Amino acid sequence: DGGITQSPKYLFRKEGQNVTLSCEQNLNHDAMYWYRQDPGQGLRLIYYSQIVNDFQKGDIAEGYSVSREKKESFPLTVTSAQKNPTAFYLCASWAGQGSEKLFFGSGTQLSVL
Amino acid sequence: EDQVTQSPEALRLQEGESSSLNCSYTVSGLRGLFWYRQDPGKGPEFLFTLYSAGEEKEKERLKATLTKKESFLHITAPKPEDSATYLCAVQEGQAGTALIFGKGTTLSVSS
Repeated sequence: DGGITQSPKYLFRKEGQNVTLSCEQNLNHDAMYWYRQDPGQGLRLIYYSQIVNDFQKGDIAEGYSVSREKKESFPLTVTSAQKNPTAFYLCASWAGQGSEKLFFGSGTQLSVL
Repeated sequence: EDQVTQSPEALRLQEGESSSLNCSYTVSGLRGLFWYRQDPGKGPEFLFTLYSAGEEKEKERLKATLTKKESFLHITAPKPEDSATYLCAVQEGQAGTALIFGKGTTLSVSS
């Protein structure tokens, strides 16, 4: 079945450590996105990529980095510069061409030890 | 200033008690308005896309409508399994532009 796979489901970060969240899709979608969700808050855009080897900052990009070397993959690194990383992270891809909507993965919960 | 505002923040209903959720938006060039359902600890699940004022879409007990300033998600005779957080989002400009989300309405339906 086609979909978006995020891993791990739970992740713990020690202070000063960089961690990477994985996002893989087999939907053949060009555009991919990373959102952050805090309790009682909406989804806030971190980074997005419309095409391989290109990405743009969203509203809250500070302390995060991404890469887009393959169409299927859009990993997010939470760096030590992100001082409040505890949140639920959601990866999504855009289905265009007559079925326009965002497909979401199942999310990664990141917590600080 | 929030571009997408959802109300109420939380809503408690008895099974069978119909109600509506509101999503107001202030973006200038609306391309589409989206509704999603999210269960705790899971990714949002797509419900509807609306493109123009006057458009309506239905799915089981849910009906979404759109005006030039807001959208409503009407829930008719809800059941406990309809309990979830409902998210509204808007898209400006071109297809594929990142969606802007509201904070959501958490619906609880008791039997």
